[in-house]
Amino acid sequence: DQQVKQNSPSLSVQEGRISILNCDYTNSMFDYFLWYKKYPAEGPTFLISISSIKDKNEDGRFTVFLNKSAKHLSLHIVPSQPGDSAVYFCAASGGDFGNEKLTFGTGTRLTIIP
Amino acid sequence: DVKVTQSSRYLVKRTGEKVFLECVQDMDHENMFWYRQDPGLGLRLIYFSYDVKMKEKGDIPEGYSVSREKKERFSLILESASTNQTSMYLCASSHNTEAFFGQGTRLTVV
Repeated sequence: DQQVKQNSPSLSVQEGRISILNCDYTNSMFDYFLWYKKYPAEGPTFLISISSIKDKNEDGRFTVFLNKSAKHLSLHIVPSQPGDSAVYFCAASGGDFGNEKLTFGTGTRLTIIP
Repeated sequence: DVKVTQSSRYLVKRTGEKVFLECVQDMDHENMFWYRQDPGLGLRLIYFSYDVKMKEKGDIPEGYSVSREKKERFSLILESASTNQTSMYLCASSHNTEAFFGQGTRLTVV
C-alpha cells in the first residue's frame, strides 16, 4: 500500500523553464512533508519542507505547495538548471510514529535539457 | 557539518552469507533508519530505531535484523543473503523530521 505516490517516473524540462514535480498522499495523519534530491551513487539530500499548517514554502528557486484537501503537494523549480537533473523524492511524516518516521514516494527523475 | 557514514560503498556477497552493513552518525541523533532503494519502488523503510537498543519494523523487515548498541551506530544484518536483497541500502539519522542520509551501500548478492 503506497501511501505516498509520485505518478510521473520521469520528467524532461528545458533549461530556464519551470519544473513541476507532483506528489500525492493517502494518509490524512501526515502533517509534515519534505522533498529530497538524489544524484546517482549518493545519498538523498534534503531540499525543502512544508508543515501542514502552511500551503506554501519558498527557498530560492524552489517552492513547495501543499493542498491538504486534495492530499497533494508539488515542487516548483524555476528557473531550471542543468545541475537540477536528479531523482526527486517526496516524503511525509506524522501518524503513529509522529515525526520519527519518513514515508517516501517512488521518485521522479528530472532531466534538464540544455 | 552533519555526517552519516556507511562502512562500504560497494559490496558483493554470496547467497546464504550473513552480511553486516554498518552506519555511524556524528550528530547525536536519537533516530536512525535503514532504507533500500530499488528502481520504480522508491525508498522503502526496512527498520528504524528511536533510541539505543530500541527498534521498530518498517515496511519490509523480512530477511533483515538490526542492532543498536550505541547511539551513534546502527547496523543492518542480512541473516542469509538472497539475490532479491541486491539493492542500494541507505542509512539515515534524524533529530526531528529532517533526515540526513549516508552515501549508500550498493549490495550485490550473487
